Amino acid sequence: TQLLEQSPQFLSIQEGENLTVYCNSSSVFSSLQWYRQEPGEGPVLLVTVVTGGEVKKLKRLTFQFGDARKDSSLHITAAQPGDTGLYLCAGSVFFNDYKLSFGAGTTVTVRA
Amino acid sequence: NAGVTQTPKFQVLKTGQSMTLQCAQDMNHNSMYWYRQDPGMGLRLIYYSASEGTTDKGEVPNGYNVSRLNKREFSLRLESAAPSQTSVYFCASKTIQNTEAFFGQGTRLTVV
Repeated sequence: TQLLEQSPQFLSIQEGENLTVYCNSSSVFSSLQWYRQEPGEGPVLLVTVVTGGEVKKLKRLTFQFGDARKDSSLHITAAQPGDTGLYLCAGSVFFNDYKLSFGAGTTVTVRA
Repeated sequence: NAGVTQTPKFQVLKTGQSMTLQCAQDMNHNSMYWYRQDPGMGLRLIYYSASEGTTDKGEVPNGYNVSRLNKREFSLRLESAAPSQTSVYFCASKTIQNTEAFFGQGTRLTVV
């Protein structure tokens, strides 16, 4: 069992639809990050959330950190085919800021 | 900027053979990481080094050893490769807590 549980594992939607990806844990995190990975490449950071209840927006992407610092969500508005990829959440628990753990990822496919 | 460089990019081993995966970063980062990525499992942490001179086990350390040779280099060694170690291996580095982790291009390892 991984420290960070992501859901759903797969998501296939039509262009223009909205989607939400969830990242949950029973542990408290000092911060949570979201990465996006393209085939054959390493993950690339999208955002870091640090404060409980924090909401960050990156164009059509909205990221939220839960009040209790145990969960996070990624919402994409009006998805486009360019949003297709593997989305990974990652975090470090409070008692070990150096150990960076990842969730299993959500594969998002946006159909034109 | 080279960023994080991993070698080799591809490798095929026979069961029982040994090999070392090399990783070097030129960003003066303190912390370095080794992950493996398998379908549906996201990134699983093998070992990490919070700073030069220290190494710690991650979530799946069995069958691996690491060496933090200096601040730039962090190697991963398979002493006796097994088919279960067939995977894509990623090296990453970052500076202080809550900052972006930068990844190499990955090493695709097949053990037959």
